[in-house]
Amino acid sequence: DIQMTQSPPSLSASVGDRVTITCRASQAVINHLAWFQQKPGEAPRSLIFGASNLQSGVPSRFSGSGSGTYFSLTISGLQPEDFATYYCQQYKFFPLTFGGGTKVE
Amino acid sequence: EVQLLESGGDFVQPGGSLRLSCEASGFSLNTYAVSWVRQAPGQGLEWVAGISINGGAPHYADSVRGRFIVSRDTSRNILLLQLNSLRVEDTAIYFCAKAQLGFNGCFQSWGQGTPVTVSS
Repeated sequence: DIQMTQSPPSLSASVGDRVTITCRASQAVINHLAWFQQKPGEAPRSLIFGASNLQSGVPSRFSGSGSGTYFSLTISGLQPEDFATYYCQQYKFFPLTFGGGTKVE
Repeated sequence: EVQLLESGGDFVQPGGSLRLSCEASGFSLNTYAVSWVRQAPGQGLEWVAGISINGGAPHYADSVRGRFIVSRDTSRNILLLQLNSLRVEDTAIYFCAKAQLGFNGCFQSWGQGTPVTVSS
């Protein structure tokens, strides 16, 4: 199985900050990498697919990059509604696997 | 508009069974891959089982293989998950998720989830 390792597990930030979260895959997944945002008590929300493509309706302050085994999610200009937990996920191989999450607080 | 509505979650004793349903609307289960993803209390997301685009053999996480069965009723456009031999560690909120067109696991839409509690 492909292991997805996110870092950091949590981070403290302020409104307006630039935040970067990284995700490393134990094997190359090309660009079959997605990012999700989840707030307490809510379902996950899809942010990015194909490592760098924004889902419809996602603000442009979110961006993704990377390929192979190393990926990152950047939020440029953190907004109050962005405080949440973020997960990466590879969809190249079954079983599909998620990173452990990064809590932005 | 795509909607996913899960139901069937309940409180059950270890060793028991449950059947979860996910009513899909706004798209056809014949056309899109769908999966179940769960989240234990205070924990991260864990993919559980899914049906591929071509509707072939389902895929399962090692933690549930042999105990859970995923299927779809295309006539009613419903995704099902049969949970057997339940364990305490299966306690979680179970979400169904729809993949993007052409992909097996690139999730685009999620339901709100249904809670399963396994306890004696």
